Amino acid sequence: KAGVTQTPRYLIKTRGQQVTLSCSPISGHRSVSWYQQTPGQGLQFLFEYFSETQRNKGNFPGRFSGRQFSNSRSEMNVSTLELGDSALYLCASTRGTEGETQYFGPGTRLLVL
Amino acid sequence: DQQVKQNSPSLSVQEGRISILNCDYTNSMFDYFLWYKKYPAEGPTFLISISSIKDKNEDGRFTVFLNKSAKHLSLHIVPSQPGDSAVYFCAANFPGAQKLVFGQGTRLTINP
Repeated sequence: KAGVTQTPRYLIKTRGQQVTLSCSPISGHRSVSWYQQTPGQGLQFLFEYFSETQRNKGNFPGRFSGRQFSNSRSEMNVSTLELGDSALYLCASTRGTEGETQYFGPGTRLLVL
Repeated sequence: DQQVKQNSPSLSVQEGRISILNCDYTNSMFDYFLWYKKYPAEGPTFLISISSIKDKNEDGRFTVFLNKSAKHLSLHIVPSQPGDSAVYFCAANFPGAQKLVFGQGTRLTINP
């Protein structure tokens, strides 16, 4: 079974631009969660989508948004990029039921200049 | 407020010996705990998990122990191998949510 895939793997943007990252979950998984990893803040939860609906949200500003499509693929968008948005963005998938393990993709490394 | 804490930023262990990584949490609502291994610029790789209704779970060389009264969990790796060198994260989840809270990580180095 193929794992979680994320595209692109690397991205360079400048301040003020916007960016869209994509995540394809493991086949049959309907829940996709997004995380941000930075040296200062560690791994932090952004949001989770299940059956095209945002089910949980972390403490990030409204510049961070996401969506999920009917095939469970998910995208996250960051508008008006700031230098502090430079990070590794990770997505993880599960079937969406309780007590399940989240399986992570390889991540997208975003550098904001 | 750091709800999940790994107080040791690094740990060095000799090959073949036991590695013990520790994690403390503050929120008694957590009901599922996981350990992940991570290399730089890669996604975390799942190692082992434990439900709050258990106190021990084993999978090969990896054993996780949960002490709910102390709000403490630990990961034991026996025997340690050079390929185990990586950063280890513990994570906790709330009931009915896919919303992991991670510790800061512990860098494990296995010396030959």
